[in-house]
Amino acid sequence: EAGVTQSPTHLIKTRGQQATLRCSPISGHTSVYWYQQALGLGLQFLLWYDEGEERNRGNFPPRFSGRQFPNYSSELNVNALELEDSALYLCASSLATFLEQFFGPGTRLTVL
Amino acid sequence: GENVEQHPSTLSVQEGDSAVIKCTYSDSASNYFPWYKQELGKRPQLIIDIRSNVGEKKDQRIAVTLNKTAKHFSLHITETQPEDSAVYFCAASIVFNTNAGKSTFGDGTTLTVKP
Repeated sequence: EAGVTQSPTHLIKTRGQQATLRCSPISGHTSVYWYQQALGLGLQFLLWYDEGEERNRGNFPPRFSGRQFPNYSSELNVNALELEDSALYLCASSLATFLEQFFGPGTRLTVL
Repeated sequence: GENVEQHPSTLSVQEGDSAVIKCTYSDSASNYFPWYKQELGKRPQLIIDIRSNVGEKKDQRIAVTLNKTAKHFSLHITETQPEDSAVYFCAASIVFNTNAGKSTFGDGTTLTVKP
């Protein structure tokens, strides 16, 4: 069974640009979570999607947004990029709310 | 909102010794506490979790204890091995209310097991 996949692996953008990150959950998983992991720091909760709806979001500005598609894949959009947005963005999926979360390999976003 | 503090930030032990990592949380509504292990360059993976209706859970060399009154939970690794070297994250989550779906993670503990 394939695990959680994310694309792209690396993304380089300049300040003010927009970034789109993608996540495909494990087949059958309906919940998708997004986290930001800045270098050497912990995981900061960004967004939670379940059954196509945004269920909760962390303490991030509105320029961080996303959506979940009918096939349960998800997209994270970051508008008006700032230097401090440089981080590893991890996506995780679960079979139901708060059963074990399975993480993807992450997308390394670098903002120059 | 929820605040999770994790200690220590770094921990170095000799192979075969025990390692203990502690976390405290602030929101008494938190009812699910997973622990994740993240090896260098790899994704986090769940190693053990505990729900608020349980005080202790054990899986081979790994155990987690929860004290709801004091709002703290701990990870215990016995007979440590070099392959236990990694960053360990604790998290506190609230399930089944309006805040469901929001996990707050600790800042991580870098464990080094010396052969």
